[in-house]
Amino acid sequence: ETGVTQSPTHLIKTRGQQVTLRCSSQSGHNTVSWYQQALGQGPQFIFQYYREEENGRGNFPPRFSGLQFPNYSSELNVNALELDDSALYLCASSPLGPDEQFFGPGTRLTVL
Amino acid sequence: AQSVAQPEDQVNVAEGNPLTVKCTYSVSGNPYLFWYVQYPNRGLQFLLKYITGDNLVKGSYGFEAEFNKSQTSFHLKKPSALVSDSALYFCAVSPDSNYQLIWGAGTKLIIKP
Repeated sequence: ETGVTQSPTHLIKTRGQQVTLRCSSQSGHNTVSWYQQALGQGPQFIFQYYREEENGRGNFPPRFSGLQFPNYSSELNVNALELDDSALYLCASSPLGPDEQFFGPGTRLTVL
Repeated sequence: AQSVAQPEDQVNVAEGNPLTVKCTYSVSGNPYLFWYVQYPNRGLQFLLKYITGDNLVKGSYGFEAEFNKSQTSFHLKKPSALVSDSALYFCAVSPDSNYQLIWGAGTKLIIKP
């Protein structure tokens, strides 16, 4: 059983650019959630996907979008990057239900 | 608005002493409650959860947490702290209508030898 992986580890972009972050969920987990963690803060829920459909969304603008694929991989896309988008982006996979989530190590995004 | 509060930014405990990390929440219904730990340069790791049943739940690494419905609290405890327990601890709550987590801001736990 492999854990949750994310790529890339670090990324530097400039304001206005677009970015795609990738996550490979734990095998058998149909649910993936994405979080934004600013420095010194707790994670903020961006959205969740279940079997390739969006299953809930936090208070993030539409320029944050996602995809989930049948092979347990998923993407977080952010358009028109802003300086405040600089953060650690975490993905977490889980079975559907109130079960523990398994987190990847995160992608550190810096927007200049 | 639904929220989770961890009133202490940092908790300092001497090794061998009991520790408590506090968490209170404001969520409608009957939420599911979680504690996670974040070590430097490592991902978030699950410690324990409360879904229903006994108010005292036991988790990984000797940690336990006590659910108090009337006080809407879910404090994390350990009878005897270890230096290796030093890390950032997060309380998270999932409202019963979905499984999307609302997180506290985190408490830095420092265990001194």
